[in-house]
Amino acid sequence: QKEVEQDPGPLSVPEGAIVSLNCTYSNSAFQYFMWYRQYSRKGPELLMYTYSSGNKEDGRFTAQVDKSSKYISLFIRDSQPSDSATYLCAMTYNTNAGKSTFGDGTTLTVKP
Amino acid sequence: DTAVSQTPKYLVTQMGNDKSIKCEQNLGHDTMYWYKQDSKKFLKIMFSYNNKELIINETVPNRFSPKSPDKAHLNLHINSLELGDSAVYFCASRPSGRPLYNEQFFGPGTRLTVL
Repeated sequence: QKEVEQDPGPLSVPEGAIVSLNCTYSNSAFQYFMWYRQYSRKGPELLMYTYSSGNKEDGRFTAQVDKSSKYISLFIRDSQPSDSATYLCAMTYNTNAGKSTFGDGTTLTVKP
Repeated sequence: DTAVSQTPKYLVTQMGNDKSIKCEQNLGHDTMYWYKQDSKKFLKIMFSYNNKELIINETVPNRFSPKSPDKAHLNLHINSLELGDSAVYFCASRPSGRPLYNEQFFGPGTRLTVL
């Protein structure tokens, strides 16, 4: 079993829809939770990170962590065609090695 | 521009050949990584160096050998290329002094195709 499982997608939504991207994990030692966005033929870039359970909002994006259920989500409100990308969740322990475990990615297409 | 850069961007080669991919970051970061991303977008860590010292060495065939001449460079040499090595290889770097989370800055990737 993988340490991090991500909803596989692909996901196709109309412009303006609310999108929910989800990951579950099995190792309770993970402390930091991140979402990366990867446009086609580009490297991933950090979109948001969270530490504790709860919600963190940044513009149209909300990251949610539920440590008791080992479940994290990324919500995108009023989705735009420019949000079309692959979204990767990532999790890390608090170590200096800085090793993150990534989910498999969910590819999102927002249609105008 | 400040960034993580990789060369080459595309690499097409025959099975059995030896090839190298170069990575440079001018962000002043201490830690650098190599990842392999397969066609299904799964991003798998291969190696990590901190100040030229190998700190992460995942289960990777020993045909893959990283080399870090200085903390701004991390190169990847691959011997006896196989079809299964076809993937996109990403270099990344991480700022020092950020234990709270592990933000990594990724290069543009090197798309390797083994024929």
